[in-house]
Amino acid sequence: GAGVSQSPSNKVTEKGKDVELRCDPISGHTALYWYRQSLGQGLEFLIYFQGNSAPDKSGLPSDRFSAERTGGSVSTLTIQRTQQEDSAVYLCASSFGLPGETQYFGPGTRLLVL
Amino acid sequence: AQSVTQLDSQVPVFEEAPVELRCNYSSSVSVYLFWYVQYPNQGLQLLLKYLSGSTLVKGINGFEAEFNKSQTSFHLRKPSVHISDTAEYFCAVSEAAGGYNKLIFGAGTRLAVHP
Repeated sequence: GAGVSQSPSNKVTEKGKDVELRCDPISGHTALYWYRQSLGQGLEFLIYFQGNSAPDKSGLPSDRFSAERTGGSVSTLTIQRTQQEDSAVYLCASSFGLPGETQYFGPGTRLLVL
Repeated sequence: AQSVTQLDSQVPVFEEAPVELRCNYSSSVSVYLFWYVQYPNQGLQLLLKYLSGSTLVKGINGFEAEFNKSQTSFHLRKPSVHISDTAEYFCAVSEAAGGYNKLIFGAGTRLAVHP
């Protein structure tokens, strides 16, 4: 079956612009996660959606970052007024949300802020 | 809060030699432990995980890891590596209870297998 897909695969933007990154999880997966992979910070958790529960936003680095998940499926991560330090690979993962369950990762969106 | 320390940022090794990638963790609660691999220009893929039971866990591609609770370690091993094992390897933990399934990752170890 299809895995996790993310779009765009690459995004170049100018400092101060807003960007939207999209994630399509594996069909039937109720849990969706966003992570960020950068040279300075390694792999860090951003936000976690589980079913209809309130998302765990504890990893979002600033209020310029937000995410939503519509209809329990597709998710969009929005970064407002991008800064150069936002340059990173943004990874999405999905699972059935049970403790200890394998998270399946998408290929990522590589964001470059000029 | 949990933290993960991968003790080696880079490990060079010759083909067919054994390798051990070291991982230590810190947590005040019970955790599950994972090893993920990232091949060049690809996404993360699960190698193996420890949830409970036998402390020796076998994964894909001939890798195995041993959970040591007293030393809070989860080292990854392979008895004979191939060129194709060249990749970055990440150790990660998540809380075993409470519904907090987010993964906390180590900084990664870059394994370079040379002919």
